[in-house]
Amino acid sequence: QKEVEQNSGPLSVPEGAIASLNCTYSDRGSQSFFWYRQYSGKSPELIMFIYSNGDKEDGRFTAQLNKASQYVSLLIRDSQPSDSATYLCAVGDSNYQLIWGAGTKLIIKP
Amino acid sequence: GAVVSQHPSWVICKSGTSVKIECRSLDFQATTMFWYRQFPKQSLMLMATSNEGSKATYEQGVEKDKFLINHASLTLSTLTVTSAHPEDSSFYICSAREGFSYNEQFFGPGTRLTVL
Repeated sequence: QKEVEQNSGPLSVPEGAIASLNCTYSDRGSQSFFWYRQYSGKSPELIMFIYSNGDKEDGRFTAQLNKASQYVSLLIRDSQPSDSATYLCAVGDSNYQLIWGAGTKLIIKP
Repeated sequence: GAVVSQHPSWVICKSGTSVKIECRSLDFQATTMFWYRQFPKQSLMLMATSNEGSKATYEQGVEKDKFLINHASLTLSTLTVTSAHPEDSSFYICSAREGFSYNEQFFGPGTRLTVL
């Protein structure tokens, strides 16, 4: 059974601080990794994807991938109240299907 | 960027009726479309995957005869909830992917279904 694990939270972070979201996966054959943001009552929107080990930066967001340890993380710098949402980690398996984590609820406190 | 539309955005129907939800990729050809269901405070649950021109592949536990999926063209997929009951009330979301490789899925805005 392929699994993607996330801490459900909520994770509470002060405004302006760094929010760190983590995700582990079970399938060593996974090749692609995605972070989606979902606001309450809305559908998910893609924030970042990463395919290679290491860091990938896009504005205030940094995705980190460590295939040896089978984890992927998302860092949000200078957190804003508008970043408050549920963050979904998704992992692409060898059949090109996405395996979804249950999501981490992030709360940015002003 | 890739845009996926969904219609209707919300629908209320009586128990026993059927409801059709449309999902369209507006600026790309969606080789594959996915249908998800999400109950309040829960994560996405994949219902089925459909490739253009072929039958949908349903996830375990999803009733094929109740949730009819048609992917007739590269830009349109429909989900019909037949004989809807209150327990079918949920947030239904489609997503679309161009190609078969490790490309990201682009999500529609979702359809809120309420069955009375």
